[in-house]
Amino acid sequence: GAGVSQSPRYKVAKRGQDVALRCDPISGHVSLFWYQQALGQGPEFLTYFQNEAQLDKSGLPSDRFFAERPEGSVSTLKIQRTQQEDSAVYLCASSLGGRQYFGPGTRLTVT
Amino acid sequence: SQQGEEDPQALSIQEGENATMNCSYKTSINNLQWYRQNSGRGLVHLILIRSNEREKHSGRLRVTLDTSKKSSSLLITASRAADTASYFCATRPTGGGADGLTFGKGTHLIIQP
Repeated sequence: GAGVSQSPRYKVAKRGQDVALRCDPISGHVSLFWYQQALGQGPEFLTYFQNEAQLDKSGLPSDRFFAERPEGSVSTLKIQRTQQEDSAVYLCASSLGGRQYFGPGTRLTVT
Repeated sequence: SQQGEEDPQALSIQEGENATMNCSYKTSINNLQWYRQNSGRGLVHLILIRSNEREKHSGRLRVTLDTSKKSSSLLITASRAADTASYFCATRPTGGGADGLTFGKGTHLIIQP
């Protein structure tokens, strides 16, 4: 079956622009996670949804970051007024009962 | 912040040799997982070991866990060129806190043909 998909795969934004990153989880997966991975580092947790409820957003680095999953399926991570330090790969993962399945990520470059 | 620390940061070996990577973590955990990441791709789950397990095998992979030392090792036997990738350990702490996994910085493994 289809895995987790993310779009776009690559995004270049000028500093100050808003961006929206999309995640399509595996059908039926209740849990959805967003991670940020800087170059040469491991992924860092951003936020977690259980169905449409955002249960944990402790990893979001600032109030410029906002995530939603209005119907408990597709999720969007929005970054407002992008800064150069936002440049990273943004990974989405979905889960049903423990193991997380990761998408290919969106590589965001802020110039 | 990242809980795990993999060691070494980079490892280059000849095809056919065994590769060993280590991971240390800081807090009590429910389980520890190892992931592989090929360049430009997402993470692939390799193996999960629970806190009450000491050793687990999956194909050419062998994982050990020592909760008293808060450390784990991943052994890849009879390495192949296709094993070239970055390897990360990830933990899920006990006692609440963030619901996501906490990853280390990874070991970059290169298998020389």
